[in-house]
Amino acid sequence: GENVEQHPSTLSVQEGDSAVIKCTYSDSASNYFPWYKQELGKRPQLIIDIRSNVGEKKDQRIAVTLNKTAKHFSLHITETQPEDSAVYFCAASTHGGSQGNLIFGKGTKLSVKP
Amino acid sequence: NAGVTQTPKFQVLKTGQSMTLQCAQDMNHEYMSWYRQDPGMGLRLIHYSVGAGITDQGEVPNGYNVSRSTTEDFPLRLLSAAPSQTSVYFCASRRGPGELFFGEGSRLTVL
Repeated sequence: GENVEQHPSTLSVQEGDSAVIKCTYSDSASNYFPWYKQELGKRPQLIIDIRSNVGEKKDQRIAVTLNKTAKHFSLHITETQPEDSAVYFCAASTHGGSQGNLIFGKGTKLSVKP
Repeated sequence: NAGVTQTPKFQVLKTGQSMTLQCAQDMNHEYMSWYRQDPGMGLRLIHYSVGAGITDQGEVPNGYNVSRSTTEDFPLRLLSAAPSQTSVYFCASRRGPGELFFGEGSRLTVL
């Protein structure tokens, strides 16, 4: 089945710096790659996603890139702010289509220091 | 819309006891799932359902049962709780291949 590896497990940056989190996946059939943010004690919430027919997607300070050949995708956060501090999870969809299950990476704890 | 509602939010069990975590969604989503979250392990899929009457196993199904008699409800049953089942449980649902919506979570402690 699908396996998703996520690195690093912790990341500390200064406010205003950029942060990059990387994920690799194993199932070449996966075609949907979302990123979730989880604040302490809260539920995971979608912040951005990308499908396999797109190489890059941006939403204000957040961007995701996908390399299907290498089977890896990355989250880029620019101009980080203290409110970006949270745990971030990448995920990949195992089968694609409406019945695909999301398999998650183990998470990255991002700390943004003022 | 309330979204995805989980009950209870907190529960303490003794080893061997049984209980059911409730999950309900009011978004008419066909797909529902249960994940458990443990420190350093991310979110692991326990069971999922693609519609009423259809369920299947995820990554870590042992010790858990599910059923899906209606589109709205997807309860998770622990038949004989074990300390290894101490975790935070999230129910999630979606329509089609898009965003997965999570409930607020249920924190379970098994002594």
